[in-house]
Order: sequence, then C-alpha cells, then structure tokens
Amino acid sequence: SQTIHQWPATLVQPVGSPLSLECTVEGTSNPNLYWYRQAAGRGLQLLFYSVGIGQISSEVPQNLSASRPQDRQFILSSKKLLLSDSGFYLCAWSLGQPVSEQYFGPGTRLTVT
Amino acid sequence: QKEVEQNSGPLSVPEGAIASLNCTYSDRGSQSFFWYRQYSGKSPELIMFIYSNGDKEDGRFTAQLNKASQYVSLLIRDSQPSDSATYLCAVNGGADRGSTLGRLYFGRGTQLTVWP
Repeated sequence: SQTIHQWPATLVQPVGSPLSLECTVEGTSNPNLYWYRQAAGRGLQLLFYSVGIGQISSEVPQNLSASRPQDRQFILSSKKLLLSDSGFYLCAWSLGQPVSEQYFGPGTRLTVT
Repeated sequence: QKEVEQNSGPLSVPEGAIASLNCTYSDRGSQSFFWYRQYSGKSPELIMFIYSNGDKEDGRFTAQLNKASQYVSLLIRDSQPSDSATYLCAVNGGADRGSTLGRLYFGRGTQLTVWP
C-alpha cells in the first residue's frame, strides 16, 4: 500500500530565515506530486505540482520554490520566509491517469514569527 | 477561472440525522468529483469520489452528481459526533492541461457539527 510522509510536523521560524520541507511517497512509482498551503480559515491553495523528476510547475508566484530530486521525493523551500508564509503545508500524490484522486500527507504546520 | 463553491456553514445536525452537504462547480468539462473530510488540525482524507451522474453509496455516505446542473452533494446518514469535521469538495480541471496533470480545484469546505 502507498504511504506519504512529511516532515517536520511543526516548525516555528523567524522572518527572513530559510525553509526546507520534505515529502516522500512509498509504494508507488512516478506519482504526480503536489504542494498545497492552507492558511488559517482559508481553502487549499495549490503551490506547485510535478509530473516527474525535475519537472516542476508553479501555480502562484511567491518566495517559495520546489524541487523533485528523486521520483518519490518532493521538497518545498524558501530562502527568506515572510510572515504571510505561515500556514499548514500539505503534500499530496496521485497517479493522475487520466484524473485520479489525490492523497494527502499529514502536513507541516509552519509559524513564521 | 474554475470555481468550486460550498456553503461554509457551520451546518449543525443532531446525532442520527441526515447531513446534506452541497457543492457547485463552474467548469462544464469537469469529469471527476471528490469529497474529502478534514478534522481540525489534520490533513484532508478522501472519503468519496464519483464520476457518473446519479448516486454512489458507500456505507453511511452517498455522493450525488448532476452534471447538467453542475451540482454534487454528499449525504451522511445516521450522523455521528465523529462526523464533525470540515468537508471539502474537489473537482478536476476539465478539458484543459489541468486535467491531464490530475489538477483538482477545491472548495473552501463546509464545517459540519453533529451534536449528541
């Protein structure tokens, strides 16, 4: 069966500090991978998606970036965090053929102070 | 701009009642529809998906789809306090590049409270 991991589970970072969140998927090959952010009281905002190694598409221009160094690894990064980056960061995977359901990881709660 | 609209609630029902959650979408080309449950502080969990017009039942949950009206709903029978959560409706992107990439569009969710 497939499982998806995210770490860290919670993170408190000062404004201007860097960020690295990691997501890994087990039990499947060549998944589509997604990063979402859910701010307090708001809906899910798609940040990045990837259909393969090194293939990243950005939905919203901002100070975040994503990378996919391995088939089942997806990393979200920032060089300098803003207060507005606070939120619940969710990684998800799908098979995407043609449209399949997405499964979410446990999430990382980021507070920027 | 593809939109998925949900009544934000809160929807409050007594234990044992039927909870009805509704969702409308703007893209007529959408083919796949999903319901997720999200407990407070947790990540969304897929509970139902439906691709064809009509009803799909899974235990106490029934998803209903009406593509002509661009409307999808979720019925929860015999509601339990453990069903108290936010329910997210998600729709695929229709006949554009988004659909081939598995892109989903989410509503903001309906908060459901089931009181004993």
